[in-house]
Amino acid sequence: NAGVTQTPKFRILKIGQSMTLQCTQDMNHNYMYWYRQDPGMGLKLIYYSVGAGITDKGEVPNGYNVSRSTTEDFPLRLELAAPSQTSVYFCASRKGPTNEKLFFGSGTQLSVL
Amino acid sequence: TQLLEQSPQFLSIQEGENLTVYCNSSSVFSSLQWYRQEPGEGPVLLVTVVTGGEVKKLKRLTFQFGDARKDSSLHITAAQPGDTGLYLCAEVGAGSYQLTFGKGTKLSVIP
Repeated sequence: NAGVTQTPKFRILKIGQSMTLQCTQDMNHNYMYWYRQDPGMGLKLIYYSVGAGITDKGEVPNGYNVSRSTTEDFPLRLELAAPSQTSVYFCASRKGPTNEKLFFGSGTQLSVL
Repeated sequence: TQLLEQSPQFLSIQEGENLTVYCNSSSVFSSLQWYRQEPGEGPVLLVTVVTGGEVKKLKRLTFQFGDARKDSSLHITAAQPGDTGLYLCAEVGAGSYQLTFGKGTKLSVIP
């Protein structure tokens, strides 16, 4: 099993550009999450999904959009990139909603210049 | 949103020393998870604690959940360079789909 796969690993954007961060998992997990990690700030939840066709906002959703058309894929869209979106982005998934283990991808390092 | 406070923020120790890091909240935890994150990688789950007073051991790592379920600690015995990383606690909210993470403790074990 590949687990949670994120692409790309690194990306540099110019202010105002758009891009999509890809995330796919092969574990048939219903619950998927997008976090961003800034230095010294831990992980902050951007969006999450509890199943195909269902998404909801997390703590810091402004400037981002998501979709969940299949169980496997949960892409994160950045529209009009801003320097404040420079961060490391992690996608994660888990089987159930409570004490289940959260599986993380290896992250996408994004710089907006 | 429940705030998780982790301390210390940074810790640098010599190989073979013991250490304890802490995770605290002003509210009662439903349950708590500890993760370790190595540079360039995503966090990896170490343990989940659910019951107040619970103690779990994972080789040289001992995890304790406070009796009142408002705090947790991670103790490492005889630290090794392989223990270097960012240690994160995460609260699993009751009835919630979300996990809330603390800011982490960055541990460096010097050979």
